[in-house]
Amino acid sequence: DQQVKQNSPSLSVQEGRISILNCDYTNSMFDYFLWYKKYPAEGPTFLISISSIKDKNEDGRFTVFLNKSAKHLSLHIVPSQPGDSAVYFCAAQYTDKLIFGTGTRLQVFP
Amino acid sequence: GAGVSQTPSNKVTEKGKYVELRCDPISGHTALYWYRQSLGQGPEFLIYFQGTGAADDSGLPNDRFFAVRPEGSVSTLKIQRTERGDSAVYLCASSFRQGSYNEQFFGPGTRLTVL
Repeated sequence: DQQVKQNSPSLSVQEGRISILNCDYTNSMFDYFLWYKKYPAEGPTFLISISSIKDKNEDGRFTVFLNKSAKHLSLHIVPSQPGDSAVYFCAAQYTDKLIFGTGTRLQVFP
Repeated sequence: GAGVSQTPSNKVTEKGKYVELRCDPISGHTALYWYRQSLGQGPEFLIYFQGTGAADDSGLPNDRFFAVRPEGSVSTLKIQRTERGDSAVYLCASSFRQGSYNEQFFGPGTRLTVL
């Protein structure tokens, strides 16, 4: 039973446009949500987080939105750049552990 | 500064053998985590240490898996009688536990292949 779901395995976006990555969760007890970015042969790198008591957090080109009633969060990247091409994992923090989704591979093309 | 390091980067072993995977966390980080990432999946929690003790080992799949952190720094994940299904990338992360939120910093992982 997957508690964190990323239903889109891949996304392709043109450079300069907005990338929107989506994530759904089932457990309303999660207290933080995080996005990690992963390049091949590297470990995941933290990107941005949001507390469960907030509905938006912004950091430069990255914004995360949380809709608690829908148990849905999204990561917006604008403008998208070729260097953003990677696998993006949504994760939920519960007690001290992270529960990850299966990832979305983002490709930004020129 | 140095990040989380893991050795070896790759390990190939035969079914039934014993393996040890090592993790060096970021200096000063008190919390250490092990995750396992199978092909096409996200990282899956295995065990969490706060200092020397395992605070949560609920993710260890069975008693063939064991982890230690004797001095509160380096950790070793030990797998006995390896099976082909143990093949995965084993990720280690550390954090400086602060308040209710802790950013976990990941190492590059050890790719384990069981033949």
